[in-house]
Amino acid sequence: EVQLVASGGGLVKPGGSLRLSCAASGFIFNSAWMSWVRQAPGKGLEWIGRIKSGTGSGTTDYAAPVKGRFTISRDDSKNTLYLQMNSLKTEDTAVYYCTTLTGYHFDYWGQGALVTVSS
Amino acid sequence: EIVLTQSPGTLSLSPGERATLSCRASQSISSSYLAWYQQKPGQAPRLLIYDASTRATDIPDRFSGSGSGTDFTLTISRLEPEDFAVYYCQQYGSSPLYTFGQGTILEIK
Repeated sequence: EVQLVASGGGLVKPGGSLRLSCAASGFIFNSAWMSWVRQAPGKGLEWIGRIKSGTGSGTTDYAAPVKGRFTISRDDSKNTLYLQMNSLKTEDTAVYYCTTLTGYHFDYWGQGALVTVSS
Repeated sequence: EIVLTQSPGTLSLSPGERATLSCRASQSISSSYLAWYQQKPGQAPRLLIYDASTRATDIPDRFSGSGSGTDFTLTISRLEPEDFAVYYCQQYGSSPLYTFGQGTILEIK
């Protein structure tokens, strides 16, 4: 069974930093492309970034609102995906989901981690 | 940027009825690039359909997807109580690579 368990969410002040982790199991993590999708309270879904597998060079791509502030990385030895968020803004308040990315769609989703940016 | 517009915003139906949800793209996209998701309150989204018409693992056959070009449809043939949720379409494109529609709320009438 595929499991994606996100952790590290919480309350942070504007301008602060936070790192989310996503522990993966039930599939071959080192060959999977992974992604982060967020959902602001009461709003729709927004893709924020992806990381290719190591065999896909492990390169990353980001959506414009987070480019230069957020960094996605992975540790294949720990089956873990990360999202480092810097220079946080109030509009970054959302539930952050880690997902697997197969083809052009997000096939498995974690339960999400809530990030609240507020003074 | 390709914009996905879903309609209606809210659909009120009764169990046993047929639901038809629309997703319109601002420009033509490959059918391979279109997916549908279901989200229930307090839960993560779940993949229903990918490649416009292929059901994901363990998705009941009452869910079907169709369409091409700019117009795509998700059909639920006979609504079950557990089908009342929010539905999103999603496409792969360029800058941003992935976008979602704004969602259709399917509520019990």
